[in-house]
Amino acid sequence: GAVVSQHPSRVICKSGTSVKIECRSLDFQATTMFWYRQFPKKSLMLMATSNEGSKATYEQGVEKDKFLINHASLTLSTLTVTSAHPEDSSFYICSARPSRSSGSRYEQYFGPGTRLTVT
Amino acid sequence: AQRVTQPEKLLSVFKGAPVELKCNYSYSGSPELFWYVQYSRQRLQLLLRHISRESIKGFTADLNKGETSFHLKKPFAQEEDSAMYYCALNGDSSYKLIFGSGTRLLVRP
Repeated sequence: GAVVSQHPSRVICKSGTSVKIECRSLDFQATTMFWYRQFPKKSLMLMATSNEGSKATYEQGVEKDKFLINHASLTLSTLTVTSAHPEDSSFYICSARPSRSSGSRYEQYFGPGTRLTVT
Repeated sequence: AQRVTQPEKLLSVFKGAPVELKCNYSYSGSPELFWYVQYSRQRLQLLLRHISRESIKGFTADLNKGETSFHLKKPFAQEEDSAMYYCALNGDSSYKLIFGSGTRLLVRP
């Protein structure tokens, strides 16, 4: 149980276009999902917290108009990179926090990540 | 400010040797601390959390509030332990995790 999927796993787009990445919790409901960016050989940088039915909370330095987040249901959050540029090329990872958990209230399950390459 | 520090980028040991991956944190309250592991070409997964006081795959970690540390230890490393290990902290009501920079553990035969 507690599986999180991301789609697509890999995407290449041209500079100036937009690309949407989906994050789904497959067998549990997630009121809260998180979006991270991982640079090569570096740690995960939290970009934003996505809450079902409300606006996302962005971390300092993350442009909300560039990285649009929509948490349409308890099992789906999307990240849209608008007007992508080569510097947006990165590995984007989502995680989902179960609405109900028998473990830690901070427990998160991670997706496999999406490799975005902007040419 | 909340911060997690993992001072070692790479830790290389021989199979059977003891392992200690260091993690220090800064937080004024009572944090929850976690260790996550990422094996090659796999997603990040929870290894253990301090509130459980459990041993997973032979790894243990004790929260030392005096030293603000949460070091990960294993008495006898195995080759399959080779992976990236991230220490993470959560201390507020937002449920977000603050990750350290990670330590790559390489266990050589």
